[in-house]
This record gives sequence, structure tokens and C-alpha cells, in this order.
Amino acid sequence: DAGVIQSPRHEVTEMGQEVTLRCKPISGHNSLFWYRQTMMRGLELLIYFNNNVPIDDSGMPEDRFSAKMPNASFSTLKIQPSEPRDSAVYFCASSLYYNEQFFGPGTRLTVL
Amino acid sequence: DAKTTQPTSMDCAEGRAANLPCNHSTISGNEYVYWYRQIHSQGPQYIIHGLKNNETNEMASLIITEDRKSSTLILPHATLRDTAVYYCIVRVGSFGNEKLTFGTGTRLTIIP
Repeated sequence: DAGVIQSPRHEVTEMGQEVTLRCKPISGHNSLFWYRQTMMRGLELLIYFNNNVPIDDSGMPEDRFSAKMPNASFSTLKIQPSEPRDSAVYFCASSLYYNEQFFGPGTRLTVL
Repeated sequence: DAKTTQPTSMDCAEGRAANLPCNHSTISGNEYVYWYRQIHSQGPQYIIHGLKNNETNEMASLIITEDRKSSTLILPHATLRDTAVYYCIVRVGSFGNEKLTFGTGTRLTIIP
């Protein structure tokens, strides 16, 4: 099993640009999570999906952030426009219902 | 979800048992105790979880007090690869309650 796959692994962009992060969950899992980790705020949940439907997006910082899950094997997190304070490591995780979550390797985003 | 309290950091000699405490005095009857760890720059990794009985798997043991207000994660023979931040999380284990809330965790350092 390849585990949770995230791309890109590193992204450097300039303020104002659109950023799209991608995630492929483990096959058969029906819950998908997007987390963000910074030194100041630690690891925080942004949004999660059950069966491709967003369930809780209360952690999404503002309208510049959006997430989609068009099918069971793919999700995106988009930031438009990006700002320097969005610099962080973004993790995607998947699980089968409320069982243990499996995390991907993360995408390190730097916004200049 | 109930809040948890963990020591900020701990050291343990290689080969010895590492005992990581967690207080969760406001835990509800239907809330489980979960442990995850995060090795530097990697995504968090599930370790173990339990409701009220002690649990053991290939990675660790979880000891939950009878009143369930605290627990201890035990790594029986710590190795250098166990150096990580360990998170104790309390969560209802049911459909619709998949969200994990990470605190600051305990930074465990294994000393050679």
C-alpha cells in the first residue's frame, strides 16, 4: 500500500499567487482530512470530508482557502490569493470512518 | 472533546521503558484516549487507543486509570527512533466524530 500521497512535497510561491495542494487518500478509506502545522499554532485541522462530502470546515482560516473532493481518490486544497502567513506544512490524512488516521508526508509551502 | 495535559518534554535512556503521562480529568464516558506521535518533519503516526481497559500492540502499551482521568503510554524498550513529539488526544469514537484535536504534546528525547 502506497499510503497517503501528497503533491507537491515543496512549493515556493509569491504572495498573491494561487496555490493548489493535492492529496490521494488510501484506497478504501472514506474520511479525508486537511491539517496545517506551524510553529506558532501547532497542528490544526482545516477541514474534513466523509464520503467526499465536507463535514466540518470550521478550521478553514478564511475565504481564500477552499477544499474539494471530487471523488474518493482525490482531494485538493486551494489558496487564492496566497499570503506569507500561509507558509506552513500542510498534511493530508485519511481513515476508514473514525478509525486511526494515516497521514501523508506533507507539503511544505513557502509564500514569499 | 475533553482537554488533555501533557508534560512539555521528557528524556529517556535508550533501552529503558519510556512512560509518557497524560491527564484528561474531564473525559466523558464515551470518549477514547488516542496516542499519536510525530517524528521530526514527518506526518503524525497513530500508536494506540483505548476506552477503559489497558491496551497493548506491537508499538506500545496504554494504561488507563480506573477513573479514566489519566493515562500512561509505555514504550517498553525505547530506541533512538522513538525520539518524537507524542500527542495524547481524547475523542468520541463514533461516526461523525472523526475530528482529532492536537495539543502541544510531549517532546520525548531518547538518550544514547
